[in-house]
Amino acid sequence: EVQLVESGGGLVEPGGSLRLSCEASGFIFGSYWMHWVRQAPGKGLVWVSRINTDGGVTNYADSVKGRFTISRDNAKNTLYLQMNSLRAEDTGIYYCAKDLSWGASDYWGQGTLVTVSS
Amino acid sequence: QSALTQPASVSGSPGQSITISCTGTSSDVGGYNSVSWYQQHPGKVPKLMIYEDSNRPSGVSNRFSGSKSGNTASLTISGLQAEDEADYYCSSYTSAISHVFGTGTKVTVL
Repeated sequence: EVQLVESGGGLVEPGGSLRLSCEASGFIFGSYWMHWVRQAPGKGLVWVSRINTDGGVTNYADSVKGRFTISRDNAKNTLYLQMNSLRAEDTGIYYCAKDLSWGASDYWGQGTLVTVSS
Repeated sequence: QSALTQPASVSGSPGQSITISCTGTSSDVGGYNSVSWYQQHPGKVPKLMIYEDSNRPSGVSNRFSGSKSGNTASLTISGLQAEDEADYYCSSYTSAISHVFGTGTKVTVL
């Protein structure tokens, strides 16, 4: 059974940092692109970032470029999102998702809540 | 990169068919066979319903179908059921930044 379990969310002050993790199981993690998607409270889905199978290719939404870094450790079956210079508008649930094809994500984690507030 | 445009809400009676549109540009929806659709019930994780414009993942009801014409993709739900009441999001690969979601549509079963 495919499972994605996020962790690392919490309350942080503006300008602070957090590192999210997503532990994968039930599939060959190193064979799939992975994504981070966020959802602000009561709002829609927003794509944040993606990474290819070996970590050599990464893409970011304009709103997080230069502040967030996606990475992966295939030996540990874990995806990461390092978030720096956090802003109030970064608040939301962060989901990791497994890519099926062309960005379509067939499995999602339960999400981890990030709250940026003073 | 702006979000793809979806109607804020669509409604229908049980048994009817409804269609949700998703409008983008030739750099995203119209440029690639990469439109996917997600269903999200309140407080739940998004569920993939359609990928590559019109393919259904295993386990998704055949009442859900996807199509595309030019820069506009569509999700049709036939034989509408109470359990279909949810938020629906389209998404597409984009040459600009990689990936973009739609604005979301709330489906109400009357």
